[in-house]
Amino acid sequence: QVQLQESGPGLVKPSGTLSLTCIVSGGSISTSDWWSWVRQPPGKGLEWIGEIYHSGTTYYNPSLKSRVTMSVDKSKNQFSLNLTSVTAADTATYYCASLDWDWEGKWFDAWGQGTPVIVSS
Amino acid sequence: DIQMTQSPSSLSASVGDRVIITCRASQRINSYLNWYQQKLGKAPKLLIYAAASLQSGVPSRFSGSGSGTDFTLTITSLQPEDFATYYCHQSYGTPQTFGHGTKVEVK
Repeated sequence: QVQLQESGPGLVKPSGTLSLTCIVSGGSISTSDWWSWVRQPPGKGLEWIGEIYHSGTTYYNPSLKSRVTMSVDKSKNQFSLNLTSVTAADTATYYCASLDWDWEGKWFDAWGQGTPVIVSS
Repeated sequence: DIQMTQSPSSLSASVGDRVIITCRASQRINSYLNWYQQKLGKAPKLLIYAAASLQSGVPSRFSGSGSGTDFTLTITSLQPEDFATYYCHQSYGTPQTFGHGTKVEVK
């Protein structure tokens, strides 16, 4: 099973852009897995942000779609998240995760440790 | 969006108890239902995928059942390390959505 590690600034100013990277180790990003971001506001539940395949195909949560961009860098075995025009509501722990799948659905089989991001001036 | 309603939102139990958590989807999702365990300050951990398949390495006291709209996570003989929050997750529709969680606490 792969290991995932998020990196990026822990503090972002309101109206700025949140940028995170997830490094994949122990396996290639060019597998059949999808690569995803999930966030969790303090004391709250989990929210799926979106997912990307190594080909570059993406699916985003409609509630965030206008502000989200995901990308894959196969040469570095990593994928990234950009979230623009952030507000305090975007304060959360952000997880990267791998999505395994078959004909019975998709499931998050590996997770990064999570990185807390605070939106504040 | 497909809404996932988990119940109860919290429960108190003792070591050795049988614990049942339910998750209801707002529309049919076949077996596209997964369960995760999350401990404080940690990432979620996959327990059950495709409604009833036990993830490798997960103890057999965890089991899942259901299809369509109603699903169940059962923990037979609760162990000290099982006190945590549990989430269901549907991958049938976009966006993928999670239940609000069930916190299993010490009685």
